[in-house]
Amino acid sequence: DAKTTQPTSMDCAEGRAANLPCNHSTISGNEYVYWYRQIHSQGPQYIIHGLKNNETNEMASLIITEDRKSSTLILPHATLRDTAVYYCIVSRGNTGKLIFGQGTTLQVKP
Amino acid sequence: GAGVSQSPSNKVTEKGKDVELRCDPISGHTALYWYRQRLGQGLEFLIYFQGNSAPDKSGLPSDRFSAERTGESVSTLTIQRTQQEDSAVYLCASSSFDSRVSPLHFGNGTRLTVT
Repeated sequence: DAKTTQPTSMDCAEGRAANLPCNHSTISGNEYVYWYRQIHSQGPQYIIHGLKNNETNEMASLIITEDRKSSTLILPHATLRDTAVYYCIVSRGNTGKLIFGQGTTLQVKP
Repeated sequence: GAGVSQSPSNKVTEKGKDVELRCDPISGHTALYWYRQRLGQGLEFLIYFQGNSAPDKSGLPSDRFSAERTGESVSTLTIQRTQQEDSAVYLCASSSFDSRVSPLHFGNGTRLTVT
């Protein structure tokens, strides 16, 4: 599975949009982009995934560049409860292990 | 419905003892994963079960670690002769195989402390 690169940490003001970038320049054509987040002392929580089209659900939006080498997770109106570590993963799907990197620690501030 | 359940939530053991950690996946989920997370670190893959296929054990750090799963139900992760470096949160996840992209559902983990 392709590796991903994410910033170590980011801050966001409460009520503003949080835009979390992820680089996956070696992604192959059959690999999906997944996002999970982990709130302190809990197991990771699935957020969203996509292949090449932009995706939106009740939690977030996922914007994937046309060349698929990078993506951005958007939390449209961040709240204090969105403070967490956000993991970007690329994988061929649930045909095997998902490799989690170090993720981005998002701190939402009042 | 019920999520992934792990027990115990906390375990303190003495160095050299064996421990068993249990994971009850979501009913009907055929795929089951174990991960380890040391303090302040990311998730480290340990083992993956999918139905009746041979498990992917490529992440097990040593032969002191083993895991079993009977059918599509409960899984047990066993650590023999525990060492202090085994102290971590052990996370279990399950997913369905309805489609290739079914997300993982995680439990809240077992926090293992080896003294």
